[in-house]
Amino acid sequence: DQQVKQNSPSLSVQEGRISILNCDYTNSMFDYFLWYKKYPAEGPTFLISISSIKDKNEDGRFTVFLNKSAKHLSLHIVPSQPGDSAVYFCAARGYNTNAGKSTFGDGTTLTVKP
Amino acid sequence: DAGVTQSPTHLIKTRGQQVTLRCSPISGHKSVSWYQQVLGQGPQFIFQYYEKEERGRGNFPDRFSARQFPNYSSELNVNALLLGDSALYLCASSGMDRSTDTQYFGPGTRLTVL
Repeated sequence: DQQVKQNSPSLSVQEGRISILNCDYTNSMFDYFLWYKKYPAEGPTFLISISSIKDKNEDGRFTVFLNKSAKHLSLHIVPSQPGDSAVYFCAARGYNTNAGKSTFGDGTTLTVKP
Repeated sequence: DAGVTQSPTHLIKTRGQQVTLRCSPISGHKSVSWYQQVLGQGPQFIFQYYEKEERGRGNFPDRFSARQFPNYSSELNVNALLLGDSALYLCASSGMDRSTDTQYFGPGTRLTVL
């Protein structure tokens, strides 16, 4: 039973446009959500996070939205750049769970075309 | 500052053999977690160690074991290797702040079992 799901294995967008990556979760105990970016031959790199007490968190070109009632979160990248091409993982952890135990989705491969 | 380091980078073993993977956390981080990433899937939590004690274990067989040393580095051991153990093994270090900490990943060890 996969508790964090990224239903789109891949996404392709034009440079300058918006990229929207989606993530759904099933475990109601999750209350902290993170996005990681992964380039080939490197480990995942933390991108942005959001706590369940918020519905939006913004950091430069990256914004994460959380809809708790729908158990859904999304990552918006505006404007998209070719260097954003990577695999993006959504991750979640529960209340009173430390950073070392996260549940990951299977990732979405983003390709930004020049 | 050095990030999380892992060794070796690549490893080829045959079925039935044993393997040891090594990880050094970021300076100041006392928690080390191990994840297995099979091709096309997200990282799956294997173990977390904090202050040399196991703090969590994922759904992996007893063939998988780990330990943490006084300098907070860690080893992951896998016995009686199976073809299905072929994967990227990621190590991540973190603090233990439950509210805001994130994990910092190493580049991983690519294990191939023939």
